[in-house]
Amino acid sequence: KQEVTQIPAALSVPEGENLVLNCSFTDSAIYNLQWFRQDPGKGLTSLLLIQSSQREQTSGRLNASLDKSSGRSTLYIAASQPGDSATYLCAVKGKQGGSEKLVFGKGTKLTVNP
Amino acid sequence: DTEVTQTPKHLVMGMTNKKSLKCEQHMGHRAMYWYKQKAKKPPELMFVYSYEKLSINESVPSRFSPECPNSSLLNLHLHALQPEDSALYLCASSHRGLAFGDNSPLHFGNGTRLTVT
Repeated sequence: KQEVTQIPAALSVPEGENLVLNCSFTDSAIYNLQWFRQDPGKGLTSLLLIQSSQREQTSGRLNASLDKSSGRSTLYIAASQPGDSATYLCAVKGKQGGSEKLVFGKGTKLTVNP
Repeated sequence: DTEVTQTPKHLVMGMTNKKSLKCEQHMGHRAMYWYKQKAKKPPELMFVYSYEKLSINESVPSRFSPECPNSSLLNLHLHALQPEDSALYLCASSHRGLAFGDNSPLHFGNGTRLTVT
């Protein structure tokens, strides 16, 4: 059974700092990995999706990497801003119980202090 | 702004009420999903529709009844809910669906905050 772990559970940084969020998964037989952002009481906003054949994806100040063999992904946020404060979730898509499913981690709550 | 629209944003209902949650997308996606999210927990998959057919039911109690009238609309009918069903209910869509080799991203709505009294 696929398990997704995100470390740390919470992170507080000063504005302008570069930071890394970590995601690990137990079954490397995945189709893709997706990073989401969730603001309090809101839905999930898709940030980046990395296919299993890819090593990284970039969007603006965000860079996500994938090492499928070791079961790890990182989300790098450059020059953090208070508006980046949110919970960041990673999710992996794989086959489970005969169906393809998206399995989420519990998220990292990020606070960027002005 | 999200391209997946959910209504209502908030809903309070008693345990004997019948209510419905609605979800709409106009991105031409053929797969739609219902997720349930409790506070400080990740979303949990409830149902998946692919091409208007129910493809996944994650052993959800029958007091939750999904409906997909067409490729753009997804409903969740609620009846005789329990207080522990209070949660954020999220709708999502993707290009074709989990069971069709679809590697496109999921797009989520902002959810309906449901409180059962």
